[in-house]
Amino acid sequence: EAQVTQNPRYLITVTGKKLTVTCSQNMNHEYMSWYRQDPGLGLRQIYYSMNVEVTDKGDVPEGYKVSRKEKRNFPLILESPSPNQTSLYFCASSLRPPRSDRAHEQFFGPGTRLTVL
Amino acid sequence: GIQVEQSPPDLILQEGANSTLRCNFSDSVNNLQWFHQNPWGQLINLFYIPSGTKQNGRLSATTVATERYSLLYISSSQTTDSGVYFCAVVGSSNTGKLIFGQGTTLQVKP
Repeated sequence: EAQVTQNPRYLITVTGKKLTVTCSQNMNHEYMSWYRQDPGLGLRQIYYSMNVEVTDKGDVPEGYKVSRKEKRNFPLILESPSPNQTSLYFCASSLRPPRSDRAHEQFFGPGTRLTVL
Repeated sequence: GIQVEQSPPDLILQEGANSTLRCNFSDSVNNLQWFHQNPWGQLINLFYIPSGTKQNGRLSATTVATERYSLLYISSSQTTDSGVYFCAVVGSSNTGKLIFGQGTTLQVKP
């Protein structure tokens, strides 16, 4: 089944304890992205990747790192989580990176609910 | 940047009723998608519809790109249709960022 998977789905952790949220897609998609969703603020892009070894900052990258060593995986790393990173996180992917005149359909993972105490 | 406005913000229906959700956007777009966020928080793709009309079962959508709006129709609503419906667009920015509207919260009562 074509899908985007995320792990873990739920995580409660403490301030300062490094964590990684994994994202994997099995659709051979070139473009991948991370969003966070917060009440009243909607979904905001954290980082995106146009292809392997190509990553760039979105609107709210502070406190996060990403890597894209393989096409299928795009992990989100919180080196020193803080309570303001408590949020619902989504990974998304699309077949090709966007161009100025076309953007492909994006598919979302099931989400990761993170609580930082 | 592009503004995306959805209406109505909240909608309560009896099971079996029909409804129309609207999405207005302020500039030309390269992608428009409709999502349903279910009570468990998952974002379910409904339609990829930068222009034209599509139908999928009880749901259909129409985007009139030249007039900068899209409509989502839900017919014969069911309680499982409850949740938040988002419209999201990608503008001319090459980040591929989806810009989401604030959503329409739908509650279907049995």
